[in-house]
Amino acid sequence: DAGVTQSPTHLIKTRGQQVTLRCSPKSGHDTVSWYQQALGQGPQFIFQYYEEEERQRGNFPDRFSGHQFPNYSSELNVNALLLGDSALYLCASSLQGIVEPQHFGDGTRLSIL
Amino acid sequence: KNQVEQSPQSLIILEGKNCTLQCNYTVSPFSNLRWYKQDTGRGPVSLTIMTFSENTKSNGRYTATLDADTKQSSLHITASQLSDSASYICVVSQYSSASKIIFGSGTRLSIRP
Repeated sequence: DAGVTQSPTHLIKTRGQQVTLRCSPKSGHDTVSWYQQALGQGPQFIFQYYEEEERQRGNFPDRFSGHQFPNYSSELNVNALLLGDSALYLCASSLQGIVEPQHFGDGTRLSIL
Repeated sequence: KNQVEQSPQSLIILEGKNCTLQCNYTVSPFSNLRWYKQDTGRGPVSLTIMTFSENTKSNGRYTATLDADTKQSSLHITASQLSDSASYICVVSQYSSASKIIFGSGTRLSIRP
């Protein structure tokens, strides 16, 4: 039984570029949440997707957008990358009605040059 | 302001010793509190979850306590092992909303042989 899988594991971009990160939830889970974790900090909530819609959003600018597909997988898109976007991006999945992240993926390490 | 403060920021102990990590929060209203373990380069893994009415929860050598009156929690690790080296993150849910989940910055624990 596969857990939460994220791709790619590492990514290097330059300022102003755009990036897409991908997440497949744990089997049986239908809700996906995305988090940004700066070095030495706890994760910060970006948004949560359920039934292919953004249900909740944290305090992140519109440059951060997402999508959920019918198979529950999800993408995180970040436009106009800034140096401050360098972080570990975590995806977490859960079952409907459970808002707390139950299972995390190992993240995508995004470095902006 | 809703906050979760963890102490110490980092801790080094010898293998086989016990240790206690602290978490103080100002989140209100309170739904539940989780402790996560995050190995370097990996996603967080849930260790324990406690609701308002619970004051202790164990998971093997990990025991979490909660004092909802003083808004304090602790994570006690017994007979530490090298594999316990990780960051331990305290997470408090304000109420049933993904955007109201507040992560602490974590305690970095290093176990020395």
